[in-house]
Amino acid sequence: DQQVKQNSPSLSVQEGRISILNCDYTNSMFDYFLWYKKYPAEGPTFLISISSIKDKNEDGRFTVFLNKSAKHLSLHIVPSQPGDSAVYFCAPYSGAGSYQLTFGKGTKLSVIP
Amino acid sequence: EAQVTQNPRYLITVTGKKLTVTCSQNMNHEYMSWYRQDPGLGLRQIYYSMNVEVTDKGDVPEGYKVSRKEKRNFPLILESPSPNQTSLYFCASSLFWTGPRGELFFGEGSRLTVL
Repeated sequence: DQQVKQNSPSLSVQEGRISILNCDYTNSMFDYFLWYKKYPAEGPTFLISISSIKDKNEDGRFTVFLNKSAKHLSLHIVPSQPGDSAVYFCAPYSGAGSYQLTFGKGTKLSVIP
Repeated sequence: EAQVTQNPRYLITVTGKKLTVTCSQNMNHEYMSWYRQDPGLGLRQIYYSMNVEVTDKGDVPEGYKVSRKEKRNFPLILESPSPNQTSLYFCASSLFWTGPRGELFFGEGSRLTVL
């Protein structure tokens, strides 16, 4: 049973525009939500996170929004740059005794110059 | 330089020939983990370790073994590799079990092909 769904395998956006990457989850025990970015031939790197006590967290051009009632989060990148082209993974986890990080299948973002 | 180092980076082997993928971190991290990445399936956790001599199964542990005899090393062992273990493998580590900041550091990956 897929606990984390990133329903868009790929997304293309023009440089300078907004990129919105979505993630849905089913496990109500998740209380921390992470985003990782992965370039080809490299390991994933941590990008941004949000705790369930917040509904928004911002870091420069990256903002993550959390809607707990809908079990939905989104990553906004504004403005999008060609260097943002990568695969983005949503990775929620529960801080209550679970030591596993469950990754979504990822969304491949292509920012077109 | 703080890093997670995996070896080999690329390996082609044959069914049934035991192999070990090594993972070493130089950040004195307590938590280490192995993932595999497959097309359309994302990253799936194989095993993880909270500390020396403490390991536990992830979501896809079948066909794999691990050991954590030293804090810095967490080798992944395939006793009898099969073609369905052809994949891209990532080792990751964190100071403690990852907290809200999500500081899980990944190695560069090991691409394994089993013929």
